[in-house]
Amino acid sequence: AAGVIQSPRHLIKEKRETATLKCYPIPRHDTVYWYQQGPGQDPQFLISFYEKMQSDKGSIPDRFSAQQFSDYHSELNMSSLELGDSALYFCASSLRTSVMHNEQFFGPGTRLTVL
Amino acid sequence: QQPVQSPQAVILREGEDAVINCSSSKALYSVHWYRQKHGEAPVFLMILLKGGEQKGHEKISASFNEKKQQSSLYLTASQLSYSGTYFCGTEMYSGGGADGLTFGKGTHLIIQP
Repeated sequence: AAGVIQSPRHLIKEKRETATLKCYPIPRHDTVYWYQQGPGQDPQFLISFYEKMQSDKGSIPDRFSAQQFSDYHSELNMSSLELGDSALYFCASSLRTSVMHNEQFFGPGTRLTVL
Repeated sequence: QQPVQSPQAVILREGEDAVINCSSSKALYSVHWYRQKHGEAPVFLMILLKGGEQKGHEKISASFNEKKQQSSLYLTASQLSYSGTYFCGTEMYSGGGADGLTFGKGTHLIIQP
């Protein structure tokens, strides 16, 4: 079965640079979530989208922004990168109209390293 | 409000059973269980909704006590592949189906041959 696709899988940036992470949800899924996981930490929810509209907001820094496009893929834009932004960034997707509407399936993640 | 998981770590021999607990001080709408291996994505195991609905892997069972806001994950006849970190994720309010999950700190499970 098709899974969530994230690109790139690895990304190395310098401090103060910008980065764009992409997420392609499971086919037919209409909801996308972004999570950040630091080393040895639990995943922290950043933001979610449904039908191109922001649905829920977590601990996303003001330096980060995200959007969902008409084909349901999503992009997380990160500016003025800091060393502390180094982490695994996961995208998850779900189908809102299903009975278990919040059953979230995670992608393989993008490992961001800020030097 | 971050849910509290216990125990923090468990070491089992293959074939033994384990129970992992997750509790919240706030009323929950749903509890989600995931297993994550180092450097990999969390893998969905089970979702339990307020009211009794649940869905998950056929070899995994879990419970959700709404009165106590506690959930337990039951791993029976453990296999080597069960090793990893188990996270519970909680949703306090059903805002329509796109709510982010709040995860506990995780339970590290090691299965020895």
